Amino acid sequence: DVKVTQSSRYLVKRTGEKVFLECVQDMDHENMFWYRQDPGLGLRLIYFSYDVKMKEKGDIPEGYSVSREKKERFSLILESASTNQTSMYLCASSSPGLRVQYFGAGTRLSVL
Amino acid sequence: AQTVTQSQPEMSVQEAETVTLSCTYDTSESDYYLFWYKQPPSRQMILVIRQEAYKQQNATENRFSVNFQKAAKSFSLKISDSQLGDAAMYFCAYRRTGNQFYFGTGTSLTVIP
Repeated sequence: DVKVTQSSRYLVKRTGEKVFLECVQDMDHENMFWYRQDPGLGLRLIYFSYDVKMKEKGDIPEGYSVSREKKERFSLILESASTNQTSMYLCASSSPGLRVQYFGAGTRLSVL
Repeated sequence: AQTVTQSQPEMSVQEAETVTLSCTYDTSESDYYLFWYKQPPSRQMILVIRQEAYKQQNATENRFSVNFQKAAKSFSLKISDSQLGDAAMYFCAYRRTGNQFYFGTGTSLTVIP
């Protein structure tokens, strides 16, 4: 079974803090994704990566950055957290041949 | 940009009955993939069913089936013999050739005992 693991289920941070969300997949997938999920807005793509050290902006990259130093790990970074970044964050991975995304359990981030 | 529209924010169904969730999408591509994902409360998002655009036959997975109308750009999900465990948020998703997926805003399904 494919496993996508997000390091935290719940996270509470203060405004202005630097926040790291970690995601690890165990299936040697080339592609990894970070989404933000908000009620009524569905899933919106923040960034994705199709290879180590490669990244592309999604629909809402502002205020976020990413890091992919190893194939299995994809990190989402909030340089200076703000209250409007309070949300559920979902990580996903896939392989071009699979044509399916596998999701982590999500991290619910609250910025106070 | 591709868009995926789910016009039903909430739906409910009686246990053992059938329910259909709607999804439309906008694309100029001819080769793409469509998906329905299920997200149970506080649980992981999982794939329910997928459809390749080049296939005319509608995909089926046990009690789940789709009605894929390519010309109309419509991709609805039918759940037969609904069970309490089907209660979840359902997302329709589109993937074109390449890596990006596009998701709808979701339909929250309630199953009434």
